[in-house]
Amino acid sequence: GESVGLHLPTLSVQEGDNSIINCAYSNSASDYFIWYKQESGKGPQFIIDIRSNMDKRQGQRVTVLLNKTVKHLSLQIAATQPGDSAVYFCAENLSGGYQKVTFGIGTKLQVIP
Amino acid sequence: DAGITQSPRYKITETGRQVTLMCHQTWSHSYMFWYRQDLGHGLRLIYYSAAADITDKGEVPDGYVVSRSKTENFPLTLESATRSQTSVYFCASSNWERGKQYFGPGTRLTVT
Repeated sequence: GESVGLHLPTLSVQEGDNSIINCAYSNSASDYFIWYKQESGKGPQFIIDIRSNMDKRQGQRVTVLLNKTVKHLSLQIAATQPGDSAVYFCAENLSGGYQKVTFGIGTKLQVIP
Repeated sequence: DAGITQSPRYKITETGRQVTLMCHQTWSHSYMFWYRQDLGHGLRLIYYSAAADITDKGEVPDGYVVSRSKTENFPLTLESATRSQTSVYFCASSNWERGKQYFGPGTRLTVT
């Protein structure tokens, strides 16, 4: 079936630089997208979400961009810190799909001190 | 503020044994989910529940059984464990906030 995927499985970034994590989705019926962060040994944690009627949403140090034309979303982390080291998942939710989400395989972000 | 808890955190069992993983949440969230996490596959949905006594299959339900007699509990049972069920299992819950799920700490299950 259709699923969310990621371009880069591992991303290494220097502390203080900005990070960009990309995600491609294939299900055009998806209209809601979420980013989760999973630290080592813990469960995933919600970071930020975006609806399909938006192309950008900002949070604290994070920005999610959505390009529906090419079915792509990205998570930008400003001034990356060591505490940002984790695996990041994008997930999609279909309208009428209740609270179910489909997760991508994840991208590991390594912050170099 | 217990949130969502899972037990046990680690479990080793033998092939063919029945094992139950427990999940408990204190928020009275309507929705609860079970995922397994394997390298290269991300998080895959096993079963979910929209409310007490309402459960439905996810992407990979074979070999698993769930029940939800109470809103706060959502146990996952492996009726006859197989090595392919070695994985990390996560329980999650959700309220009305679309797509926003709260995850437990996970159970690492090894089937020998």
